[in-house]
Amino acid sequence: GENVEQHPSTLSVQEGDSAVIKCTYSDSASNYFPWYKQELGKGPQLIIDIRSNVGEKKDQRIAVTLNKTAKHFSLHITETQPEDSAVYFCAARTSQGGKLIFGQGTELSVKP
Amino acid sequence: DTAVSQTPKYLVTQMGNDKSIKCEQNLGHDTMYWYKQDSKKFLKIMFSYNNKELIINETVPNRFSPKSPDKAHLNLHINSLELGDSAVYFCASSRLGTGLINEQFFGPGTRLTVL
Repeated sequence: GENVEQHPSTLSVQEGDSAVIKCTYSDSASNYFPWYKQELGKGPQLIIDIRSNVGEKKDQRIAVTLNKTAKHFSLHITETQPEDSAVYFCAARTSQGGKLIFGQGTELSVKP
Repeated sequence: DTAVSQTPKYLVTQMGNDKSIKCEQNLGHDTMYWYKQDSKKFLKIMFSYNNKELIINETVPNRFSPKSPDKAHLNLHINSLELGDSAVYFCASSRLGTGLINEQFFGPGTRLTVL
């Protein structure tokens, strides 16, 4: 079945450093790749997404890259701040009814 | 002006009981979802309804029964609760148009604890 692998599971960086989270997916028909940020006690919130016809997208300090041939995509956060600390999830939309398959999550900790 | 709301936020109950979680969205979306997040934070879809019609039904025990009285509401009823049902349950909604890909908005979650 469809699968999304996400690495690393935990990531600790110093404030101001960059953070990179990587995901691979199995369904080659996947065409939409959102990234969600989940703060403690809250629901996931979309921070950026990319569609299959685009290789890169940037929004201020966050960027996402997509390599459809290799079936992997990555989240890049630059100039990290303590408020970036949260669990980040990648996801891939499958060809079945718009279903999102989520990665296992990455707990990002930004130390001041 | 909450977009996706769930009640209750916390639910503690005994094994064997029946409970319901309610979800409402005021975004005018036509598709709603239920997700389960386990203790390891893994998010997995359970059900999806589009215009009150079931479109996604993952391998979920029959004890779980979603009900969509209208496009803005998707409730989750759980019979004969088991210890393994303890998790955080998230409701989400999106606009699902032909050929369109739209963001899913998540509710704040309901933490279910089965004793």
